[in-house]
Amino acid sequence: QVQLEESGGGVVQPGRSLRLSCEASGFTFSNYGMHWVRQAPGKGLEWVAVISYDGREKYYGDSMKGRFTISRDNSKNTLSLQMNSLRPDDTAVYYCAKDFVKDGAGGADSWGQGTLVTVSS
Amino acid sequence: QSALTQPASVSGSPGQSITISCTGTSSDVGVFNYVSWYQQHPGKAPKFLIYEVSNRPSGVPDRFSGSKSGNTASLTISGLQAEDEADYYCSSYTSSSTQVFGTGTKVTVL
Repeated sequence: QVQLEESGGGVVQPGRSLRLSCEASGFTFSNYGMHWVRQAPGKGLEWVAVISYDGREKYYGDSMKGRFTISRDNSKNTLSLQMNSLRPDDTAVYYCAKDFVKDGAGGADSWGQGTLVTVSS
Repeated sequence: QSALTQPASVSGSPGQSITISCTGTSSDVGVFNYVSWYQQHPGKAPKFLIYEVSNRPSGVPDRFSGSKSGNTASLTISGLQAEDEADYYCSSYTSSSTQVFGTGTKVTVL
């Protein structure tokens, strides 16, 4: 079965950087688009970024553009999110999610359990 | 990209049917059939409920159904059960090649 395991969360000061990782198993990772989605405490889901199956196409939510970078290593079945210039409003649980189509347009059919990022001085 | 609009809360008694709306624009829900719905219980990751407007992944009960008309998608839960009490979110692909989620709806089973 599909398994997605996020790591890399923690407490970080405003303005600093953090890199999240997601290890995937149970499916052919290189065949599917992948997403990052976040959820601030007590708030709704917010889409962060998507990367196509081959890593060539990447798109971001408006508040993440220029600060966050999504990437993938198909040889290691790993998805990453590099987050720079972090702000307190980036505090959230970050979920890694698999799309059901190659380009990441379809929707997230499998989710990890999430990793908490807290941005605070 | 603004969030899709959902009612903040919907409630119903066991056995009843409820419908949650999800209103977007002609740049997302209105032009793409990549509309999905998710169920999220407290402290848990979201669960994929509906894809491509009206399709159910295997394992999702047929009590859950989806539809779309114009810029508005809808999720209907028939024969409401206690375990259906959760938060529900819609999402859509957009003309900017991004995804956008709905504002979320809390379903209460009375």
